[in-house]
Amino acid sequence: ETGVTQTPRHLVMGMTNKKSLKCEQHLGHNAMYWYKQSAKKPLELMFVYSLEERVENNSVPSRFSPECPNSSHLFLHLHTLQPEDSALYLCASSQDPASGGAVTQYFGPGTRLTVL
Amino acid sequence: EDQVTQSPEALRLQEGESSSLNCSYTVSGLRGLFWYRQDPGKGPEFLFTLYSAGEEKEKERLKATLTKKESFLHITAPKPEDSATYLCAVRGGTSYGKLTFGQGTILTVHP
Repeated sequence: ETGVTQTPRHLVMGMTNKKSLKCEQHLGHNAMYWYKQSAKKPLELMFVYSLEERVENNSVPSRFSPECPNSSHLFLHLHTLQPEDSALYLCASSQDPASGGAVTQYFGPGTRLTVL
Repeated sequence: EDQVTQSPEALRLQEGESSSLNCSYTVSGLRGLFWYRQDPGKGPEFLFTLYSAGEEKEKERLKATLTKKESFLHITAPKPEDSATYLCAVRGGTSYGKLTFGQGTILTVHP
């Protein structure tokens, strides 16, 4: 595997279900991100983890719960979602943003989530 | 608050017809401006990072330029395989790793 991988690629869930999205990066980075991409809207940052610590939570509802057990893996646990949460969820990784400079983020293929 | 506006929203070109995409931005202390390409149903693919006004970068038929207020993505003699959504994003000096994205320009190149 190379780059950033995400599983599953597609997910359909009911509003009462609990599911998790998984992201893995093979780039040797130490920062990971969750973004949400809804139709007709720009990508929105949800969470940032650096060195396995959450450093930013962009006012995301508590029904989204991130977990970063190590610098290569990132999870997004989902529960009691709403239909408006249907979107493409993208994971990205980069070098530590605190290292200075631009710090390019590399994205995975995304998980297309549909909430019924 | 950092802001990014991309224009046009959609652009249709004939194969070989060169054009430019615009990205206007306001940011506090620009750390970097990024261009990505996104195909339908896929994640954004990194193209360029620009750090300071006057900088230019090229890759095949694409050339990105940066001023203090905007960036251009020039496409020379495009081919149908260049059809995609092109995203612009900035990282400001006050945000920890946060990228602020524009809405993107949907480019369609007809043979």
